[in-house]
Amino acid sequence: GAVVSQHPSRVICKSGTSVKIECRSLDFQATTMFWYRQFPKQSLMLMATSNEGSKATYEQGVEKDKFLINHASLTLSTLTVTSAHPEDSSFYICSARDLTGAGNTIYFGEGSWLTVV
Amino acid sequence: AQSVSQHNHHVILSEAASLELGCNYSYGGTVNLFWYVQYPGQHLQLLLKYFSGDPLVKGIKGFEAEFIKSKFSFNLRKPSVQWSDTAEYFCAVNRPNDYKLSFGAGTTVTVRA
Repeated sequence: GAVVSQHPSRVICKSGTSVKIECRSLDFQATTMFWYRQFPKQSLMLMATSNEGSKATYEQGVEKDKFLINHASLTLSTLTVTSAHPEDSSFYICSARDLTGAGNTIYFGEGSWLTVV
Repeated sequence: AQSVSQHNHHVILSEAASLELGCNYSYGGTVNLFWYVQYPGQHLQLLLKYFSGDPLVKGIKGFEAEFIKSKFSFNLRKPSVQWSDTAEYFCAVNRPNDYKLSFGAGTTVTVRA
């Protein structure tokens, strides 16, 4: 079946640095990808919709200058957390929309744990 | 804004017991409803979904869910759980043609052998 892969699965970075998380659709093209974050024992919260070849659409309250999203190809979206702080530590999950076949299925990546120290 | 409530944070049960996980949503219009499962160390996977039609939906691995419109509910059930059903379960909602999902907080299900 279709697979969405995230890299890295775990990353630790120092406060003030930037870290990039990649989301790849491995066997389908995804014009639209979604980035979520999840705090412990809480829901997945949608951060932004990543659109291939255009600017991402951010949800209310999400700082677009802090969470940079680039969707430069039909199989790759990246989330860069800039000037990371400990409060950015979280679990980040991407999903990608597969338009082929029936049902416009959404597939999820395995998630990336970010720890800012 | 839509919100999704899952009533149980952690459910512990024995093998062969029946499972029911509650899910309520707040949006009053037409919605699509989903249950996802995340096994330890794995991706979120779709268990089942409801778009329209028969409100009793059957999914993979013996799970089913019933959409009750009057109660804004979409509860997940399995008559007899197995140890391998130990996982995190998420209810999610979106509007038709809008692929942004609103998730519940998730329910951790632990099945004891």
